[in-house]
Amino acid sequence: GIQVEQSPPDLILQEGANSTLRCNFSDSVNNLQWFHQNPWGQLINLFYIPSGTKQNGRLSATTVATERYSLLYISSSQTTDSGVYFCAFAGTALIFGKGTTLSVSS
Amino acid sequence: GAGVSQSPRYKVAKRGQDVALRCDPISGHVSLFWYQQALGQGPEFLTYFQNEAQLDKSGLPSDRFFAERPEGSVSTLKIQRTQQEDSAVYLCASSFRLGSSSYNSPLHFGNGTRLTVT
Repeated sequence: GIQVEQSPPDLILQEGANSTLRCNFSDSVNNLQWFHQNPWGQLINLFYIPSGTKQNGRLSATTVATERYSLLYISSSQTTDSGVYFCAFAGTALIFGKGTTLSVSS
Repeated sequence: GAGVSQSPRYKVAKRGQDVALRCDPISGHVSLFWYQQALGQGPEFLTYFQNEAQLDKSGLPSDRFFAERPEGSVSTLKIQRTQQEDSAVYLCASSFRLGSSSYNSPLHFGNGTRLTVT
């Protein structure tokens, strides 16, 4: 099956810093999505981004389908951004990566 | 309802006990998914319902796992004779779209049920 690799696995930031999270795929994927799981376990959909670039406030995402990767940018990070960020794609079901754990300290 | 609701929030079971986990999807959502999330891992697919029909149960890890959605709304995931390796967070998600089209739009997840088997 398609392998998905997320990097970095862990990230520690000071409040106000910017960061880039990456998702690489071993083959072409469909319907890529980014999720944030907060420390209480709630999974929130951030972006549905099969290709191109989208922005939502301090967050933006870019998917380059032909090169089999997607990036999530977080600018001016806040403590509420802490949690685990997952990319996921549609296979026989929605397939998730292992996530990037982000800790933002004040 | 306003969102996907799951209960109980936490469940502790002794090994060998049966458990039942409930999911109330967003009203009107025809597609319902169950996922299992082990500690430090991403969610893994268990099963999919379109209304009351269970169309895909390929992710259920053993025949001890059983899911139903008899009236096409509330769903129950039942685990019989629980084992320690069943300890995980069980997540439910719903979508107004059908089948693979569900992945063309955001999937709405509940807060999950954290199951601990001792």
